Amino acid sequence: QVQLQESGPGLVKPSQTLSLTCTVSGDSVSSGSYYWSWIRQPAGKGLEWIGRIYTSGSTNYNPSLKSRVTISVDTSKNQFSLKLSSVTAADTAVYYCARGAAWLQSGPFDYWGQGTLVTVSS
Amino acid sequence: QSALTQPASVSGSPGQSITISCTGTSSDVGGYNYVSWYQQHPGKAPKLMIYEVSNRPSGVSNRFSGSKSGNTASLTISGLQAEDEADYYCNSYTSSSPLYVFGTGTKVTVL
Repeated sequence: QVQLQESGPGLVKPSQTLSLTCTVSGDSVSSGSYYWSWIRQPAGKGLEWIGRIYTSGSTNYNPSLKSRVTISVDTSKNQFSLKLSSVTAADTAVYYCARGAAWLQSGPFDYWGQGTLVTVSS
Repeated sequence: QSALTQPASVSGSPGQSITISCTGTSSDVGGYNYVSWYQQHPGKAPKLMIYEVSNRPSGVSNRFSGSKSGNTASLTISGLQAEDEADYYCNSYTSSSPLYVFGTGTKVTVL
């Protein structure tokens, strides 16, 4: 059974860097069959794709966040991570990690973590 | 790239069929058969219900079906059940940036 679990601070101060990790079980981030994405959702609002990484380390980012986002993968720990710099209150959201099928061009997100709430506040 | 447009809410009685629309442009929904649909219950993570317009992942009820015409994709739920009450989001993969754009979301209410 594939499981994804987000972890990281629930409170980040404005202008600092938000750092989250997604630990994958039941699958390998180095399998080559999947992309690994971050998606966020402000309270009461819709979903926003942040970016994704492939096992090779290749990344794609949402241009609206690209200047502030870094996604990396640690195959030894079977984890991938998100860093979002210079955060503001607008970055307050539930952050999800998700798996996307790489053998499909559209890479739909078939497994999701439970989500973790990150609040940006001083 | 703007969010795909969905109706804010759709409702129906148990046993009825409802359809949720998702309107984009020729750069996303209309350009490719890459639309997926997600169901989200309150406080829970989204769940993949349909991918590439009309394909159901294993384990998803056949009461859920998808289609597309031009720049508009649709999700139909037949034989509506109380457990179908949730938010639904469409998503389109695009060849431009961002790679994925979500819809505005639709709240489905079972009367």
